[in-house]
Amino acid sequence: QQQVKQSPQSLIVQKGGISIINCAYENTAFDYFPWYQQFPGKGPALLIAIRPDVSEKKEGRFTISFNKSAKQFSLHIMDSQPGDSATYFCAASIVNTGNQFYFGTGTSLTVIP
Amino acid sequence: GAVVSQHPSRVICKSGTSVKIECRSLDFQATTMFWYRQFPKQSLMLMATSNEGSKATYEQGVEKDKFLINHASLTLSTLTVTSAHPEDSSFYICSARVPSGGNEQFFGPGTRLTVL
Repeated sequence: QQQVKQSPQSLIVQKGGISIINCAYENTAFDYFPWYQQFPGKGPALLIAIRPDVSEKKEGRFTISFNKSAKQFSLHIMDSQPGDSATYFCAASIVNTGNQFYFGTGTSLTVIP
Repeated sequence: GAVVSQHPSRVICKSGTSVKIECRSLDFQATTMFWYRQFPKQSLMLMATSNEGSKATYEQGVEKDKFLINHASLTLSTLTVTSAHPEDSSFYICSARVPSGGNEQFFGPGTRLTVL
């Protein structure tokens, strides 16, 4: 059973555009939602994370929007650049329960010049 | 951020042999490390949770006798794939939780295992 559902599977965006990736979860006990960026042949790197007590978090060109009532959260990449082309994974976990992460299925982002 | 290393980055072995992968936290002590497996263009699948000084906790469907995990120190966890077969070929990634860093996990660069 997929605890975290992610869409779209792949995304092509023009340079300078906005990339939007969505995730949804069922378990209301989740209270930590990170996004990871992975380049081919490399391990995932933490991009940005949010707790459910805020509805939005912004770090540079990356923004997480969080909708607790809808049990959804999304990653927005503003002014997308070719260097942003990578696979993005959302995840969810419950703090203080061993910290197991439940990952989404990933989104392959391609930013074309 | 915290740095996690893995060694080797790539390994090719013959079927039936055993392969050991090391995961190290370089600038922090990790009481908990995680081992994941990732097939091409797929998500990360948690294999086991490795706790320093105690037995690893394996996810359902992961053979503990085949994937031996040892977390002998606060900075090192090892995964040994015993009697490897071609279907074990995959990308193995470890991560470590920073004890005082909230809920963050930092991932190693991964190890590409190819079993011939």
